[in-house]
Amino acid sequence: GIQVEQSPPDLILQEGANSTLRCNFSDSVNNLQWFHQNPWGQLINLFYIPSGTKQNGRLSATTVATERYSLLYISSSQTTDSGVYFCAVVGSGAGSYQLTFGKGTKLSVIP
Amino acid sequence: SQTIHQWPATLVQPVGSPLSLECTVEGTSNPNLYWYRQAAGRGLQLLFYSVGIGQISSEVPQNLSASRPQDRQFILSSKKLLLSDSGFYLCAWGRGPLSTDTQYFGPGTRLTVL
Repeated sequence: GIQVEQSPPDLILQEGANSTLRCNFSDSVNNLQWFHQNPWGQLINLFYIPSGTKQNGRLSATTVATERYSLLYISSSQTTDSGVYFCAVVGSGAGSYQLTFGKGTKLSVIP
Repeated sequence: SQTIHQWPATLVQPVGSPLSLECTVEGTSNPNLYWYRQAAGRGLQLLFYSVGIGQISSEVPQNLSASRPQDRQFILSSKKLLLSDSGFYLCAWGRGPLSTDTQYFGPGTRLTVL
């Protein structure tokens, strides 16, 4: 099946700093989503972005499908950005439908 | 707007006891429904998905089963819990074709089996 690797596994930032999280995937995809899991466990959908660039406030994401990676940018980080960020994909192979998750990047924003 | 509910929020059960976790979605009809398990704080594993009432697909052979008795209700069950069933169980819903479905997650149930 498709493999998803996220980097870095852990990241500590000072409040106000910017960061880039990376997601590499091993095959072409029909579906790519970024999620934020807050400290209470809630998974929040950030972006549906199988290709192209999207922005939502301080967050933006870019997926370069031909090179099999996606980037999540967080600008002017806040303590509420802390948590684990997951990238999840569905491969484009015949019959593929399962959302495969990476292991996540744990972000800690300190005041 | 759509809302997804799960209950209970937390559960502590002895080994060998039965389990029933419930998930309901409001504000949409005929959603795709999904059960995931997250162990050790990272990595989600798809357990079951359903594209309609009574239609359940299982991804991983295990001690669990799922049912969809109503359009917007998805239930995860076990007859006898094992220690390895402990984890964080998340229900999700979506509306699109499975391969391009944008999935939205519920608040989760944290299960501890002792």
